[in-house]
Amino acid sequence: GQNIDQPTEMTATEGAIVQINCTYQTSGFNGLFWYQQHAGEAPTFLSYNVLDGLEEKGRFSSFLSRSKGYSYLLLKELQMKDSASYLCAVTDSNYQLIWGAGTKLIIKP
Amino acid sequence: TAGITQAPTSQILAAGRSMTLRCTQDMRHNAMYWYRQDLGLGLRLIHYSNTAGTTGKGEVPDGYSVSRANTDDFPLTLASAVPSQTSVYFCASSDSSGETDTQYFGPGTRLTVL
Repeated sequence: GQNIDQPTEMTATEGAIVQINCTYQTSGFNGLFWYQQHAGEAPTFLSYNVLDGLEEKGRFSSFLSRSKGYSYLLLKELQMKDSASYLCAVTDSNYQLIWGAGTKLIIKP
Repeated sequence: TAGITQAPTSQILAAGRSMTLRCTQDMRHNAMYWYRQDLGLGLRLIHYSNTAGTTGKGEVPDGYSVSRANTDDFPLTLASAVPSQTSVYFCASSDSSGETDTQYFGPGTRLTVL
């Protein structure tokens, strides 16, 4: 079956760095997405990786290793507004998006 | 720009009743999707449409139907609601001819079936 694994919840301190991991087993691979979802709101697009390596976008970076079926989202200089759930999703061989359950990130002052 | 709108924002529905959740996008995206999101579970695809006039079943299609008469609108209908359909429903759209096929989401409809 197809599976996306990510931690259920993480806690970090304002101003610090946090890494949210995602591992996947899917039938084929055509890209990996990270979305941010604040409580009670819709998911919003953060990043997309299709090739191995690191994609940097301001305070957020996303890494992909296709051979390991692994990605992480790195958030630097954490702010209170970064408290949200972070969703990992993989596009499989049929171009369907398979979603992880999300990681709830709690930022403490 | 509005992007994607959904209506209603929330609804309480008696079991056995029917209801249509509305979704409209103004980005001229060819693909549209309906998801449900339940606590502790990832987004689950109910139905999708790759282009106007075509629809397909997702992971959890039972009890739901969709239509895609034009590019902008993609309504989701519950013919006879059951309590297990209590969930938050998100509509999304994407330009599947683009490089990344990124999906953009509406604000969601919170549905409670009693």
